[in-house]
Amino acid sequence: ETGVTQTPRHLVMGMTNKKSLKCEQHLGHNAMYWYKQSAKKPLELMFVYNFKEQTENNSVPSRFSPECPNSSHLFLHLHTLQPEDSALYLCASSQEWRSGAGLDSGNTIYFGEGSWLTVV
Amino acid sequence: AQKVTQAQTEISVVEKEDVTLDCVYETRDTTYYLFWYKQPPSGELVFLIRRNSFDEQNEISGRYSWNFQKSTSSFNFTITASQVVDSAVYFCALHRGQFYFGTGTSLTVIP
Repeated sequence: ETGVTQTPRHLVMGMTNKKSLKCEQHLGHNAMYWYKQSAKKPLELMFVYNFKEQTENNSVPSRFSPECPNSSHLFLHLHTLQPEDSALYLCASSQEWRSGAGLDSGNTIYFGEGSWLTVV
Repeated sequence: AQKVTQAQTEISVVEKEDVTLDCVYETRDTTYYLFWYKQPPSGELVFLIRRNSFDEQNEISGRYSWNFQKSTSSFNFTITASQVVDSAVYFCALHRGQFYFGTGTSLTVIP
C-alpha cells in the first residue's frame, strides 16, 4: 500500500469543465509536490508546498491552481484546460523541501500512483 | 546547472538476461544525492535506491545492483536475471536542492 494516495486515478474532462485532483500522504512528511508527466518528456515539477506554504511555482499556467490545506493534503484545481494538458499528474511528498546551496539531506521523495488526465 | 541523461530510451531483453541501464549526470556541486525510481504501467514511481556523493561503494540488493563512479559521473543500474515483472520505465534522478530527473528508460522483458 502506497503512502501517497491520489484520486481520481483517471479523469476525462472537457475544456470548459472544472475538476480537482486530490492527494493525501500518510508518511508524516512536510513537503508535497505536483509533477506533470507527458509522453516523451522529463518529469516537470509544477508546485511545491513546504509546511503548507507554497515555495515553488515553475511558471505553471493559472488554469492550474494548487491548494494545500494541511501538510497531509494537496489539491490541484483544474479549469479551462487545453488538450495539451493531458498527462499523468503525480503527487509526491518528502520530509521537507530545501532549495539552493547548502548541505542537503537528500530527502527521498515518495510518489503516488498518479492521476491520468485526458482533456477533450 | 544540474542535468541527468539517460541515453537509452527503450531496451528489450529476453527473460533471464542481464541488463544495465545507464545514467550520466552533470553537476558542479560536491554534495548531492542520486536516485533510481521504477515506474510500472500503473503509474507510481517506486523508490529503489538513494546514494550520496561521498559514498562510491557499489550496492547490491537481490537482483539489483548499482555502480556509482564519480570519475565518469555515472550511476548505472544493473538487473541480473531479468524477469517480466521488471518491465517498467526506470528514472535516474539527481537531488541538489530539488530533484532533476532523467527522461527515463523503458525496459521490456520478453518472456
